[in-house]
Amino acid sequence: FMLTQPHSVSESPGKTVTISCTRSSGSIASNSVQWYQQRPDSAPTALIFEDSQRPSGVPNRFSGSVDSSSNSASLTISGLETEDEADYYCQSFDDNNHIFGGGTKLTVL
Amino acid sequence: EVQLVQSGAVVRKPGQSPKISCKASGHTLSDFWVAWVRQMAGKGLEYMGIISLGAADTRYSPSFQGQVTISADRTIRTSYLQWTSLKASDSAIYYCATMTGAGWFDTWGRGTQVTVSS
Repeated sequence: FMLTQPHSVSESPGKTVTISCTRSSGSIASNSVQWYQQRPDSAPTALIFEDSQRPSGVPNRFSGSVDSSSNSASLTISGLETEDEADYYCQSFDDNNHIFGGGTKLTVL
Repeated sequence: EVQLVQSGAVVRKPGQSPKISCKASGHTLSDFWVAWVRQMAGKGLEYMGIISLGAADTRYSPSFQGQVTISADRTIRTSYLQWTSLKASDSAIYYCATMTGAGWFDTWGRGTQVTVSS
């Protein structure tokens, strides 16, 4: 299966943005979805695991959800800050293979 | 705190078989999984495969099966990624990451830049 994300999104500081991640085949609910943030010239870091859980240290401005009707997962970032400007990747797995979405570049204008 | 320390950047010629490493420290468990992820310049993340340091169980993404070998030395908590025969298209940053039992990657190394140039 594939995970499809928008190539890019942009929003102003203080606003809320949502990034989608659509699963091409099989149910989005069959395996958990994770989200990672990758700032320029840095390694990825985990933002959301098991659809909606935050690792310790991740601000509650970041939230995740899954919608079976659209077979997609979403990452929502509220109260946007300039430091949120980064690439965001969703990830899931099936049959011992892990799949990453193509990534979404978030620009905070 | 778990940390993954990756080996330094390498420059190799096509056809060579370099081996890069990823050493885990601070991990309290004797058995954990280490994954390898490729990122080509300006592109996204690609899962390559994973190894259990405890059970020496190794699994590959179909896209990378036969192209690379993932191995580990559990005594020094180190995983390795080695190429069968480098191609120019293998130029990329390679990350290692530990995987939790729930299937997500909680700790990442800083990455190793591999450059293939004749």
